[in-house]
Amino acid sequence: EVQLLESGGGLVQPGGSLRLSCVASGFTFSSYAMSWVRQAPGKGLGWVSGISAGGTRTFYADSVKGRFTISRDNSKNTLYLQMNSLRAEDTAVYYCAKGPYGDYSNWFDPWGQGTLVAVSS
Amino acid sequence: QTVVTQEPSFSVSPGGTVTLTCGLSSGSVSTSYFPSWYQQTPGQAPRTLIYATNTRSSGVPDRFSGSILGKKAALTITGAQADDESDYYCVLYMGSGISVFGGGTKLTVL
Repeated sequence: EVQLLESGGGLVQPGGSLRLSCVASGFTFSSYAMSWVRQAPGKGLGWVSGISAGGTRTFYADSVKGRFTISRDNSKNTLYLQMNSLRAEDTAVYYCAKGPYGDYSNWFDPWGQGTLVAVSS
Repeated sequence: QTVVTQEPSFSVSPGGTVTLTCGLSSGSVSTSYFPSWYQQTPGQAPRTLIYATNTRSSGVPDRFSGSILGKKAALTITGAQADDESDYYCVLYMGSGISVFGGGTKLTVL
């Protein structure tokens, strides 16, 4: 069974940094694209960032480009999201999601349970 | 800026059939966009229903089906049940590693 377990969320001040982690199990992690998706309180889902299976290609939504960095450690079956220069509008539940085999997250299946990031002074 | 469009809300009677759609602010949706659909109830993580237009995720009942209808992707739910009452999101893959979510459809079963 595929499992994705996020951690690292919490309360951070505007301008601060946070690193999210997602530990994967139940599949060959190094063969699949991965993504982060977020959901602000009371709002819809929004794609944040994706990474290829090998970790050499990364992709970002315009809203986070230059501030967030996605990475992965295939030896540890772990996906990361380094979030810098955080803003109030980054407040959301962040979900880790498995993509298809290969480089691009054309879809997301399955999802982790999410971790809450709150940006506030 | 490409916008993915969904009906904000929809209602269906128990046992009925409903089709939710997913379109583009400009242009037509095709299989090249790998349309996918997700179900979410309040406080829960999203659940994948359909990916690559019409492939059901593991464990999803065949009451849920995906297709292209005209210029849009579509999610059809047949024999609607009370626990189908949820928010439904579509995603379109825009290429170059970028995916865009629709705004979601709140489905009421009554």
